[in-house]
Amino acid sequence: GAGVSQSPRYKVAKRGQDVALRCDPISGHVSLFWYQQALGQGPEFLTYFQNEAQLDKSGLPSDRFFAERPEGSVSTLKIQRTQQEDSAVYLCASSSKGQSLSNQPQHFGDGTRLSIL
Amino acid sequence: QKEVEQDPGPLSVPEGAIVSLNCTYSNSAFQYFMWYRQYSRKGPELLMYTYSSGNKEDGRFTAQVDKSSKYISLFIRDSQPSDSATYLCAMQHPGRRALTFGSGTRLQVQP
Repeated sequence: GAGVSQSPRYKVAKRGQDVALRCDPISGHVSLFWYQQALGQGPEFLTYFQNEAQLDKSGLPSDRFFAERPEGSVSTLKIQRTQQEDSAVYLCASSSKGQSLSNQPQHFGDGTRLSIL
Repeated sequence: QKEVEQDPGPLSVPEGAIVSLNCTYSNSAFQYFMWYRQYSRKGPELLMYTYSSGNKEDGRFTAQVDKSSKYISLFIRDSQPSDSATYLCAMQHPGRRALTFGSGTRLQVQP
């Protein structure tokens, strides 16, 4: 498809397990973002890549969260030793250039709904 | 206190009504302002984008930014049941790519 694709759509894990969430951005998009959306809240920024370089990871809540984009295309968000408070929807977005936002909106995928039991 | 405040609603209006959605913010560095629409179990979809103060119109949607009051609005004319969704305001300041979102207002348009 032409949009941002995320998998899996739903993930259930037991507390303490590691999980990996995948994002396929729109083809050719240089910038890739991860956001976390808690129930009833707006998305909160986690991290940003320009190509393969992780330029901003200020939103990652702890060192249990790790993101990579080794070839500048697909990205994976990994959460180690999951906790119940990690339960949320994880959204990926991409945009076409690394410069300022002007005329370069962030396009979101439908997210991965993560539930930690 | 959050950087961006948004009334969570829910806001219920009859079909055809004019809807007004609002956000206030505290960070005067914000220069780019966006409105996203999010349907249940879907990702946010960009509706409107404005830079600095002023108005922008696109079909039934009008976005307004008043930087002096740190207040932004989205107006929806001739609202339709298909407009029922959560509306998120988002902001960005120069030099940082991250968006800062409000908590969203849930809108229900009754047929």
